[in-house]
Amino acid sequence: EAGVTQSPTHLIKTRGQQATLRCSPISGHTSVYWYQQALGLGLQFLLWYDEGEERNRGNFPPRFSGRQFPNYSSELNVNALELEDSALYLCASSLLRRDTEAFFGQGTRLTVV
Amino acid sequence: DAKTTQPPSMDCAEGRAANLPCNHSTISGNEYVYWYRQIHSQGPQYIIHGLKNNETNEMASLIITEDRKSSTLILPHATLRDTAVYYCIASDFGNEKLTFGTGTRLTIIP
Repeated sequence: EAGVTQSPTHLIKTRGQQATLRCSPISGHTSVYWYQQALGLGLQFLLWYDEGEERNRGNFPPRFSGRQFPNYSSELNVNALELEDSALYLCASSLLRRDTEAFFGQGTRLTVV
Repeated sequence: DAKTTQPPSMDCAEGRAANLPCNHSTISGNEYVYWYRQIHSQGPQYIIHGLKNNETNEMASLIITEDRKSSTLILPHATLRDTAVYYCIASDFGNEKLTFGTGTRLTIIP
């Protein structure tokens, strides 16, 4: 069974540009979570989607946005990129129920120059 | 999510059992204890979770105290590939997100 897949693996953008990151969840999982991990730091929660709806949002500015498609895949968009947005962006998926676990992809390394 | 406290780092000899402690004194009745690990710059890997009973799977054992205020993750025979940052999370996951703290950096010594 395929795990959570993220694309691209690496992305280099210029300050001020927009970045789009993609995530395909494990088959049957309806919830998708996005996290940001800056170099040497912990995972910071960004967004949670389930059944196409945004369920929760972390403490990030509005230029971080996303959506979830009918097939449960998800996109994270970062507008007006800043140097500080350089980080590993991780996606996880799960079933929407208690007593379950989330599985993570390998991430997209975004570098803003 | 209830706040958890973990030692910042630990060493363990290869082949020995690695015992990683976690305090979650403010855990609520609905919150499970989850353990994940992250090997350098990879996505976190799920290890195990439990509510109040001890749990065991092919990777590890989870021991939760009777009052649920602390737990211990046990890797029975540590190998060099177990070197990673281990995160303990108390969460009503499914109703809320997983919140990662700073974790314990476990180093397995040859």
